[in-house]
Amino acid sequence: QVQLQESSPGLVKPSETLTLTCTVSGGSIRNFSWSWIRQSPGKGLEWIASMYETGRTHFDPSLKSRATVSIYTSTKEISLTLNSVTAADTAVYFCARSDHGTAPFDHWGPGTLVTVSS
Amino acid sequence: DIHLTQSPSSLSASIGDRVSITCRSSQNINSDLHWYRQKPGQAPKLLISASSTLHSGVPSRFSGSGSGTEFTLTISSLQPEDIATYFCQQSFSFWTFGQGTKVEI
Repeated sequence: QVQLQESSPGLVKPSETLTLTCTVSGGSIRNFSWSWIRQSPGKGLEWIASMYETGRTHFDPSLKSRATVSIYTSTKEISLTLNSVTAADTAVYFCARSDHGTAPFDHWGPGTLVTVSS
Repeated sequence: DIHLTQSPSSLSASIGDRVSITCRSSQNINSDLHWYRQKPGQAPKLLISASSTLHSGVPSRFSGSGSGTEFTLTISSLQPEDIATYFCQQSFSFWTFGQGTKVEI
């Protein structure tokens, strides 16, 4: 059974760079789309970015200028880097898998809480 | 951007009740609409894909319908484990989520 596990530094200072990693186990990283989604405390779900094994990426326009995603097939990891963070970036960050372009997110990691505070 | 609006934002029901949640899209998304259940402190779990396809392992009390701009998730007989927040999500053009519907007793 495929499992996803996010990791993060937990606490990041304003204006710094946040890097999150999602590790995939129990299944292939190939032939799937991998996405980052976040949820601010008490709020709804916000899609951030998606990446295919081919390197093709999509970003939410509001975050595109600050976000980078990478995929490492040898270590089965996907990363998200978010520059110049502010308190508004405080959220639980999830990674999720989907099968193809219009498919749903069928597997999710448990999420990792990131707090932006000095 | 495609905007999804769920109604109601919250509802109170009893165990055994039939519960319906609506998701309206700001534009035609065919059937590229999916439903998730999220319990507190957990990640969302897929219930229904492509408007009406029950995901593997999801109880048959859940069903989905609709196409175009209006979609419905129905729980035929509410169970204690269904107390959660439900989200719709479109994948027609990138990905967006509805704001959620909190189901309480």
